[in-house]
Order: sequence, then C-alpha cells, then structure tokens
Amino acid sequence: GAGVSQSPSNKVTEKGKDVELRCDPISGHTALYWYRQSLGQGLEFLIYFQGNSAPDKSGLPSDRFSAERTGGSVSTLTIQRTQQEDSAVYLCASSLQWGESEKLFFGSGTQLSVL
Amino acid sequence: AQSVTQLDSQVPVFEEAPVELRCNYSSSVSVYLFWYVQYPNQGLQLLLKYLSGSTLVKGINGFEAEFNKSQTSFHLRKPSVHISDTAEYFCAVKINNQGGKLIFGQGTELSVKP
Repeated sequence: GAGVSQSPSNKVTEKGKDVELRCDPISGHTALYWYRQSLGQGLEFLIYFQGNSAPDKSGLPSDRFSAERTGGSVSTLTIQRTQQEDSAVYLCASSLQWGESEKLFFGSGTQLSVL
Repeated sequence: AQSVTQLDSQVPVFEEAPVELRCNYSSSVSVYLFWYVQYPNQGLQLLLKYLSGSTLVKGINGFEAEFNKSQTSFHLRKPSVHISDTAEYFCAVKINNQGGKLIFGQGTELSVKP
C-alpha cells in the first residue's frame, strides 16, 4: 500500500460501548506503534509491536485497552467500556525495521468521540 | 517517568525571524533523537534525526538540530522562518535499553506571523 491506513477515520460511540480501531501498516514494515493524541497532551505512547517479539504494552492506560497484530501485519486496537476521557485521535505508525533506519510513517488517525 | 520534555508549548514568531524550539531528554544511556512535524490537517512526518556521528544534524525545510549530550538537549533551530513553517513540532527519543519504543514530547506549536 501507499502508506499507513487507519479505519475508521471518525468514530462516535456512546459511553460504555466497545470500539475497535484498525491499522494497516506499510507492507514489509516490521514495527508498528499505537499512539493517542489529545489536545495539550502531545503523543501518548500506547503499545509497540516489533516482529515476532512480545509487544511492549507499557503505555496502555488501563486494562480496558488491548491490541493485537495478526500475521505480523494488520493491527487492531480495542477499547472496552469506553469512557469520555478516551476521546482522542488514535494514531498508528509503522517503520521498516528497528535500528538504524528509524523513520516512522504515520497514518491519518482515527478521531474517537465518546458521548 | 517523562523521557522527553519540550519546554515551550507555544512559540509565536514573525516571518524571517530565527527560531529555536527546545527539547530535553532524560537518559543516562545512549539515545536516538528525532523531530517530527505536523502541519495543519496533515499527518506527522520526520523532520530530522540523530542516531550517531556529527552532533549537528540537518533536516528538511532548512531546519537543523544539535545534540548536546552534557545538557541532554536536542534543540531545533531555523535561522529564518516562513509562514509555511506554522505547524506543531514534536521531539522524540528512543532510549536504547528500553526495547525500541519511541517516546514523544508534548509538542510545540510554532505560529509564524507576517
């Protein structure tokens, strides 16, 4: 694909509902990141996948958040029992390899609004 | 623990003036350092990076940054800004004993006025 693709671009949900956000990284990229961008909060690291290694989940804010990456490609970020404070832009990024190349390609994000 | 701090949330500047956006990181081990830029209504893109070697790195659009290990800083500079430089700028650090995750600062909103 031409770039990192995220879907949906916008998601409006009611408090307490579960949501799934999808990320299609650039083909061949082994590293995949999820970040959350809120006004005045910068980019908050959520989770990082690198190849077949165990993901780094240290940024997930609560156990309502989880993510998986199937077949080393597509990733899904799931938020259970959404809360209003979960409202933010969720960004996915991928890179070719861990190490010297070190350039992240970002998707356009999913704007999540929890009412 | 906060790994990277951007000291200014907003920097207003007039066109053709010089600008410096400040970034400090906290780490006692080796790091990789980055600046990303997010133009209005666009995705983030890499501006420049420091991995090793020369401490002065040059990026796109006339920006440069200098790695200062003793001050744990990686400030971004441009000698003369344009209106089109108006954007949000993010400093980021990868601490090389923490498995590879890239941590971003809070961002600095650069606003260039005519």
